[in-house]
Amino acid sequence: QVQLVQSAAEVKKPGSSVKVSCRASGDSFSSHAITWVRQAPGHGLEWMGGIIPIFGTANYAQKFQGRVTITADESTTTAYMELSSLRSEDTAVYYCATDRGGLAVAGTGYWGQGTRVTVSS
Amino acid sequence: EIVMTQSPVTLSVSPGERATLSCRASQSVSNNLAWFQQKPGQAPRLLIYGASTRATGIPARFSGSGSGTEFTLTISSLQSEDFAVYYCQRYNNWPLALTFGGGTKVEIK
Repeated sequence: QVQLVQSAAEVKKPGSSVKVSCRASGDSFSSHAITWVRQAPGHGLEWMGGIIPIFGTANYAQKFQGRVTITADESTTTAYMELSSLRSEDTAVYYCATDRGGLAVAGTGYWGQGTRVTVSS
Repeated sequence: EIVMTQSPVTLSVSPGERATLSCRASQSVSNNLAWFQQKPGQAPRLLIYGASTRATGIPARFSGSGSGTEFTLTISSLQSEDFAVYYCQRYNNWPLALTFGGGTKVEIK
């Protein structure tokens, strides 16, 4: 089992950046994918990208290429998602998720509680 | 890019009845298909992966079937706690990639 604890809600100005953290409990942090998914108000789930810490290189959804950076710190078992050039349409709840044990669902087996990001002038 | 299409958008069902949700992929995803349940204000919860394997702790009334491009999630006898939005998701573990369907809302009839 794993617990994912995300950082607190943020309010940002258009054009700025936001960095959301996701701290994982338990072991095997490095060998399992960590995925970031967002959900705008009243909308569905949208994959942003993910990383397998032991490999270090992230994969991103085409829509977010160039604007999102996903990293992982193995020493603190914490993953980060930074989104730049924020606009009002980026207002959403941002979730991190990961797998554990034999589960391999591209990092979506266990979810954090979500971080609400509001972009407003 | 693989597109996942769910139907219907909304499903009205009475408690105790069977619910059948569909998910179609624009190209074959083999059996790399998962189903999630999401209730208001909560994170999604994994129900099914590998198209038909229930995740830990998921009741037997939830079952998944299909392969390739056509998939089904069946809830055999709806309980009050099952009224929620359900998402299908195709996934790839390497390279990492996934796509969600638009969701099906299961509501009380």
